[in-house]
Amino acid sequence: GAVVSQHPSWVICKSGTSVKIECRSLDFQATTMFWYRQFPKQSLMLMATSNEGSKATYEQGVEKDKFLINHASLTLSTLTVTSAHPEDSSFYICSARPGLSTDTQYFGPGTRLTVL
Amino acid sequence: SQKIEQNSEALNIQEGKTATLTCNYTNYSPAYLQWYRQDPGRGPVFLLLIRENEKEKRKERLKVTFDTTLKQSLFHITASQPADSATYLCVLLNDYKLSFGAGTTVTVRA
Repeated sequence: GAVVSQHPSWVICKSGTSVKIECRSLDFQATTMFWYRQFPKQSLMLMATSNEGSKATYEQGVEKDKFLINHASLTLSTLTVTSAHPEDSSFYICSARPGLSTDTQYFGPGTRLTVL
Repeated sequence: SQKIEQNSEALNIQEGKTATLTCNYTNYSPAYLQWYRQDPGRGPVFLLLIRENEKEKRKERLKVTFDTTLKQSLFHITASQPADSATYLCVLLNDYKLSFGAGTTVTVRA
């Protein structure tokens, strides 16, 4: 089956530093990748949609200069949280959609970010 | 505004019983509806997809119904097992994006 990995699975950083999270599709090519954020006891909220080779599309209220997304290849997307603050602490989940599919997204295991 | 509402209470059931979860939505016209399972600290795992022209879908011990008139989906876990304990998410595809409900946490007691 289709597998999506994320790295790291958890990260703790100091306020003001930047953190990069990687999302990889291991056995398929992903034309489109999505980044979500989930706070405790809440639903996943879509942050941005990225298509390989083009700029990401951010949802309303998500700062694109703070959450930098790069989808440089068909198997890798990265999310960089710049100048992280404690309120950025959350569970970040990526998903990947195979090139020919409009229905199916495969989710990564998530990355727990804690900003001190 | 658009809303996806799931059973707000956690569901505790005895092993072997059927768990029934409800998903109601407003101001969406989804082409399809999906159900995912999420374990603590993990990403969602796809379970079932049901399209707007389908009334019912089954997969092993899982059954989903979809009523576009009532704007409601029911998710059933029959012959439940402790391994079924998880949070179950109702998800709509709207405008090529997935929108998630907050989930219902099911605990199956042995």
